[in-house]
Amino acid sequence: QQQVKQSPQSLIVQKGGISIINCAYENTAFDYFPWYQQFPGKGPALLIAIRPDVSEKKEGRFTISFNKSAKQFSLHIMDSQPGDSATYFCAATPGYKLSFGAGTTVTVRA
Amino acid sequence: DTAVSQTPKYLVTQMGNDKSIKCEQNLGHDTMYWYKQDSKKFLKIMFSYNNKELIINETVPNRFSPKSPDKAHLNLHINSLELGDSAVYFCASSQDVEDSYEQYFGPGTRLTVT
Repeated sequence: QQQVKQSPQSLIVQKGGISIINCAYENTAFDYFPWYQQFPGKGPALLIAIRPDVSEKKEGRFTISFNKSAKQFSLHIMDSQPGDSATYFCAATPGYKLSFGAGTTVTVRA
Repeated sequence: DTAVSQTPKYLVTQMGNDKSIKCEQNLGHDTMYWYKQDSKKFLKIMFSYNNKELIINETVPNRFSPKSPDKAHLNLHINSLELGDSAVYFCASSQDVEDSYEQYFGPGTRLTVT
């Protein structure tokens, strides 16, 4: 049973465009929401994370938006670049283990 | 220096065999994890150890047995391999259990069972 639902499964965006990935959860015990980036043949790597008491967090071209009442959060990749082509996973943790979404494969076309 | 390393990177074996995957982290972390990533890229936690003690054991067949000889090492032994065990296995570590949101992953071991 997947505790974090992620969409879309894949997306294609033109260079310079905005990529948006959405996630939803039910477990109110989750208290930290990270995003991981995985390139082909590599392990996932932490990209950015947010706590539920913050509605938005920005790091460079990556922004997390968090809606606690709706139990939803999203990743926005601004000015998408070909080097951003990867699989992105949202995740959630109650403090001792991560539950991952199913992943979104982002392809940025030059 | 690789933070989290795994050996081997590729493992091809036949059904029924027993195999092991080794993991080492040089980050000084207290907590280590094993994940299975299937062909659809879904990441599922299998086990977690904190200071050599098992703290998470998801519904994994008992053919899978983790072993942590010390804080820096977490190995995975698999008995009687089955076709469905084919996947990429990732080892990861975090500073401690409370920092589970920030995990450092190894490069993965691609296991193919024929």
